[in-house]
Amino acid sequence: DIQMTQSPSSLSASVGDRVSITCRASQSISTFLNWYQQQPGKAPNLLIYAASSLQSGVPSRFSGSGSGTDFTLTISSLQPEDFATYYCQQSYGNSPITFGQGTRLEIK
Amino acid sequence: QVQLQQWGAGLLKPSETLSLSCAVYGGSFSGYHWNWIRQPPGKGLEWIGEINHSGSTNYNPSLESRVTLSVDTSKNQFSLKLNSVTAADTAVYYCATSNSGTNSYGLDVWGQGTTVTVSS
Repeated sequence: DIQMTQSPSSLSASVGDRVSITCRASQSISTFLNWYQQQPGKAPNLLIYAASSLQSGVPSRFSGSGSGTDFTLTISSLQPEDFATYYCQQSYGNSPITFGQGTRLEIK
Repeated sequence: QVQLQQWGAGLLKPSETLSLSCAVYGGSFSGYHWNWIRQPPGKGLEWIGEINHSGSTNYNPSLESRVTLSVDTSKNQFSLKLNSVTAADTAVYYCATSNSGTNSYGLDVWGQGTTVTVSS
């Protein structure tokens, strides 16, 4: 299986801050990397697909980059509704889908 | 756009079989990959497996020996069975799919989630 490792596991930031979360794959996955936001008690919400494409309806302050094994999710200016848990997920070829362990973004 | 609604038993005893179903509304049942994902309390997301409209499956190797996915095309539904459950199977279970028709571009449609508790 392809292992996905996110860092940091948790992050404290303030409204208006720029934050980045990284995700590393155990082998090259090209750009088959997706990012999700999950609010407590809710299903995950797709933010970014194919490493850098913004899902319809997602604010433009969210962006993704990377290819191969290293990827980054960036939020350019944190809003109160952005404090949540974020997951990366790989969907490479016929490999089983795997998720990162999650990054909890908290208000400082 | 496709929408998903799921249901199933929420309280099981150890060794019983977990059974959940997910109904598809608002779109074609064919041409999609239908997924199940679970999330233990306070933990991350774990993909269980996928099935397409013709019944072709792909499972998480760690669960494959206990999982069965199936489809009922006449009802536009797909189902999950997980046998011999233990407390470690306690989780919120989600059904999910992608409007793109492929898992490659992420899962953008999710069911509401079903909390399953395994306890004697």
